[in-house]
Amino acid sequence: DTAVSQTPKYLVTQMGNDKSIKCEQNLGHDTMYWYKQDSKKFLKIMFSYNNKELIINETVPNRFSPKSPDKAHLNLHINSLELGDSAVYFCASSPVRQGSDEQFFGPGTRLTVL
Amino acid sequence: SQELEQSPQSLIVQEGKNLTINCTSSKTLYGLYWYKQKYGEGLIFLMMLQKGGEEKSHEKITAKLDEKKQQSSLHITASQPSHAGIYLCGADYTGTASKLTFGTGTRLQVTL
Repeated sequence: DTAVSQTPKYLVTQMGNDKSIKCEQNLGHDTMYWYKQDSKKFLKIMFSYNNKELIINETVPNRFSPKSPDKAHLNLHINSLELGDSAVYFCASSPVRQGSDEQFFGPGTRLTVL
Repeated sequence: SQELEQSPQSLIVQEGKNLTINCTSSKTLYGLYWYKQKYGEGLIFLMMLQKGGEEKSHEKITAKLDEKKQQSSLHITASQPSHAGIYLCGADYTGTASKLTFGTGTRLQVTL
């Protein structure tokens, strides 16, 4: 059973396009995250949602808009894609907002902007 | 400069050899997480350390957090090809684990 799933796994698109990446977790977790991993493998948090409520928004351009229709889903929509958006995007989830709990990561979505 | 630095950036070891990866924080940690990323895949949780001086082991991997809670080391004993991947340390600076700050990663290759 897949705990945290992301679709698509690969996404190749032209500059200026709008695209979405979907994330679903079947762990019953309350908190979900989006991370961006750049070409140097540096992983940086973008957003965090708890029970559909935005908790963290880390200086991300407003072209990026997360949407959480329910606590099991956190989708990432990106408008007007730029070359610098090329990266691997990871979704993650964790059980609770407070306390030190493991974050479970999805397999990642490799976005390539041409 | 980064809040969280990992060293070395990359490592090539012969199968059977021991190795250590370090993670150094510029400020005190509430918690320190170690993850492994296999090439082209997601992150797999290895261990989490919270208390100064804490040490945890899982199979051939041991992680320690120093007393000041600013440095952690990950030690692999008798490395195997299955240990190859990218090791990332993630710091909890808030005490809630709601936001992890990750290090730059260490790429490990294990040769036969």
